[in-house]
Amino acid sequence: EPEVTQTPSHQVTQMGQEVILRCVPISNHLYFYWYRQILGQKVEFLVSFYNNEISEKSEIFDDQFSVERPDGSNFTLKIRSTKLEDSAMYFCARSAHGGKPVPYEQYFGPGTRLTVT
Amino acid sequence: AQSVTQLDSQVPVFEEAPVELRCNYSSSVSVYLFWYVQYPNQGLQLLLKYLSGSTLVESINGFEAEFNKSQTSFHLRKPSVHISDTAEYFCAVSLEAAGNKLTFGGGTRVLVKP
Repeated sequence: EPEVTQTPSHQVTQMGQEVILRCVPISNHLYFYWYRQILGQKVEFLVSFYNNEISEKSEIFDDQFSVERPDGSNFTLKIRSTKLEDSAMYFCARSAHGGKPVPYEQYFGPGTRLTVT
Repeated sequence: AQSVTQLDSQVPVFEEAPVELRCNYSSSVSVYLFWYVQYPNQGLQLLLKYLSGSTLVESINGFEAEFNKSQTSFHLRKPSVHISDTAEYFCAVSLEAAGNKLTFGGGTRVLVKP
């Protein structure tokens, strides 16, 4: 199955600035996810999004993070006031099937490398 | 909460030699298991999955993994590697009750040498 596309591929921003990372699913699936991978560390779950609402979020996903699907297509992750420790690769993923949670695999985008200076 | 441990952070291997990447998980309930591969400068690609049924699962490019419930393991093997298998491999688990989020291991970097 086709994956998702993510833009930009690389984003450099200054500490305290807002960034928006975008994910465009190839097909119309209902479940979307954001993960991040700090250099040299594990891939970590941030948030899942179902039917235009947050389904689950991790402790990492604090008030500086938000997600939305403003036009029913693009799925965005916003970081309001970036910190140095937000530097990471951010991956968007979609579930293989729409509908309620089912234990199927997730398909990942190529990632956005965020560098906070 | 579930967790995943990949014991080997790096595995150097010669071309055409076998390789085994170890993955152990911890969970109090049933899990679904996945291996993802990340080639240099690319995203995560699903390599294979165990959902139910036969405990031995295979991928189209010669990898296989075996689910062992008693040992809580899902080791990945390939009998003969190619240079193109150089990549990082991630083991991951999900619980249906947890809304299908994936919990990843730390990854194993495989470097295939000629």
